[in-house]
Amino acid sequence: AQSVTQLDSQVPVFEEAPVELRCNYSSSVSVYLFWYVQYPNQGLQLLLKYLSGSTLVKGINGFEAEFNKSQTSFHLRKPSVHISDTAEYFCAVAGGYQKVTFGTGTKLQVIP
Amino acid sequence: KAGVTQTPRYLIKTRGQQVTLSCSPISGHRSVSWYQQTPGQGLQFLFEYFSETQRNKGNFPGRFSGRQFSNSRSEMNVSTLELGDSALYLCASSLAGPGQGTGELFFGEGSRLTVL
Repeated sequence: AQSVTQLDSQVPVFEEAPVELRCNYSSSVSVYLFWYVQYPNQGLQLLLKYLSGSTLVKGINGFEAEFNKSQTSFHLRKPSVHISDTAEYFCAVAGGYQKVTFGTGTKLQVIP
Repeated sequence: KAGVTQTPRYLIKTRGQQVTLSCSPISGHRSVSWYQQTPGQGLQFLFEYFSETQRNKGNFPGRFSGRQFSNSRSEMNVSTLELGDSALYLCASSLAGPGQGTGELFFGEGSRLTVL
């Protein structure tokens, strides 16, 4: 079985400050890792993904994430957040024949 | 290329009624998954269909059912609605089936169900 843990349910941060949203996973097989973003009253959209190769992955809107196999982590970072980044962020893992597993989400609140 | 289309976007039902939600995946995508999202429980997996067959199922009562048609379009049905069924129901499609591809999902905007 695989699982995803997002340690922070809410993260408040001031505009233009850096942010890190944490994600840890567990799986018995090789995995693909994803971050999705959900704006109010909308579906989820892909922010970035790790499939293989470089462990530093860059996504849309200036976000990046680093895959750390030894720590089974895939933390999401942005050096300077904007008001428009206020949303809920979901980490997800896929691997083998199991369904895609999502974390419980982290609500990022950017304070002006 | 058109995205995932879910209909209806909003609907209101009363307890005891039933509801059918529809999802049209991205053209060429053969796998459709359904999720229920509520403030209290977060994002919960309902079921996954591939080639008209249910491949994975979440931990929901039998009142929740689904199907997939030969054109990959999918419907889910909830019978005997309860207040707790009020939620955003999200559909996601992917190019490949379970154990294939990367698992990347493409989501629709969702169907927001309110049960009174």
